[in-house]
Amino acid sequence: GAVVSQHPSWVICKSGTSVKIECRSLDFQATTMFWYRQFPKQSLMLMATSNEGSKATYEQGVEKDKFLINHASLTLSTLTVTSAHPEDSSFYICSVRGKDIQYFGAGTRLSVL
Amino acid sequence: KQEVTQIPAALSVPEGENLVLNCSFTDSAIYNLQWFRQDPGKGLTSLLLIQSSQREQTSGRLNASLDKSSGRSTLYIAASQPGDSATYLCAVRGNTPLVFGKGTRLSVIA
Repeated sequence: GAVVSQHPSWVICKSGTSVKIECRSLDFQATTMFWYRQFPKQSLMLMATSNEGSKATYEQGVEKDKFLINHASLTLSTLTVTSAHPEDSSFYICSVRGKDIQYFGAGTRLSVL
Repeated sequence: KQEVTQIPAALSVPEGENLVLNCSFTDSAIYNLQWFRQDPGKGLTSLLLIQSSQREQTSGRLNASLDKSSGRSTLYIAASQPGDSATYLCAVRGNTPLVFGKGTRLSVIA
C-alpha cells in the first residue's frame, strides 16, 4: 500500500489565489520530508526540505515567502503556493525518506489560470 | 554539485526486445541509487534500489547494475512489453536528498 499520501491530486485556481498541498507519511514518523517540482518533460527538482518543528530549508532560487512549508507533526507537511501565477503551474511531489528508500506521493498537478 | 545524466532521452522498441537504459552521475560519493518509473501525469514508482556497496539488483525482468567508481548505472529490461512504456528515472543519494536525471521515455510497440 501507499507509504505517502498527497492531496489534492489536481487543482485549478485563478491567478493570485493561494493553494495548499498536503503530504502525509502513512507508515512511519518522518522528521524530514522533501518537496519536489517537475515541469513538463523535465526532471524532478528539489524545492525544499521540510523539518518537523523547525523552519524548512529551501534550495537556491526557491522563494521561501512564495512556497510556504509547514511541518507541524511527524506525519504531515504542507506546501502552500501563495499568490499563484501561471508560471507556478507544475507537478508538485512530496517525498519521505525511509531507512534507505525515498518514497513519493502521487503528486499534485497545479494549473493556474 | 551532483549531476545525473540519462541516455537516451527517448527510446522506441518493438515488443519482446531486451533493452538497456543508461545513467551517469558526476560525484561517486553516493549512498545509493534508485531507479523509478513514472507514467504520464502520475507519481513515481520505485523499481530498484542499489546500495553503494552493491553491484546489481534484480526484480523480475528488471536488472540494475552500479559501477560507483565510474559513476554509472544501467537498467536492463528483458523481453519488453507494451505495459513497460513509461519514463524511467535514475536518482542518486549522497549527502543530499535524491538528485534525479531527466529520464528516458520508453515506448514499447506491440
